[in-house]
Amino acid sequence: EVQLVESGGGLVQPGGSLRLSCAASGFTFSSFWMTWVRQAPGKGLEWVANVKQDGSVKYYADSVKGRFTISRDNAKNSLYLQMNSLRAEDTAVYSCVGGAAADYWGQGTLVTVSS
Amino acid sequence: QAVVTQEPSLTVSPGGTVTLTCGSSTGTVTSGHRPHWFQQKPGQVPRTLIYDTSNKHFWTPARFSGSLLGGKAALTLSGAQPEDEAEYSCLLSYSGPWVFGGGTKLTVL
Repeated sequence: EVQLVESGGGLVQPGGSLRLSCAASGFTFSSFWMTWVRQAPGKGLEWVANVKQDGSVKYYADSVKGRFTISRDNAKNSLYLQMNSLRAEDTAVYSCVGGAAADYWGQGTLVTVSS
Repeated sequence: QAVVTQEPSLTVSPGGTVTLTCGSSTGTVTSGHRPHWFQQKPGQVPRTLIYDTSNKHFWTPARFSGSLLGGKAALTLSGAQPEDEAEYSCLLSYSGPWVFGGGTKLTVL
């Protein structure tokens, strides 16, 4: 069974940092691009970042470029998102997504940026 | 980055047909944008219905189909069922970066 389990969310003050993790199982993690997607309360889906199978290529949404860093550890079947300089508008559920056709989604972890 | 547009809301009668569209601010949507369509119900994780314009997963009901129509990606639902009431989001790939549309709230009424 495919599983993507995110962790690391929580309440953080504006300007603060968080590191999200996503543990993958049930599929060949190293074979796929991996993605972080977020969804603010009551809003639509927003793509955050992608990382290639070997970690050599990364893309970021303009809204997070320069503040967030996506990375992966294929030996640990894990995906990460380092989030710095957090803003109120970063408040959302962050989900990791994988598979050949964005087939696999985690349940997400809630990040709340508030003072 | 590009802006992807969808109808904010649509209503379809049970058994009826409806087409949702997905446009790009950069121009015509092509198969190169690898259009994906996701269905999301309240409290649930999105699930992929259509990938790469028109391909279905084994879990995709046959009444859903994807295509390119009038310069946009399109999702057509033929024979709507009450359980199809949901939010539908499209995704376009721009040679690496993705962009989601704002989503279409589909009501079956």
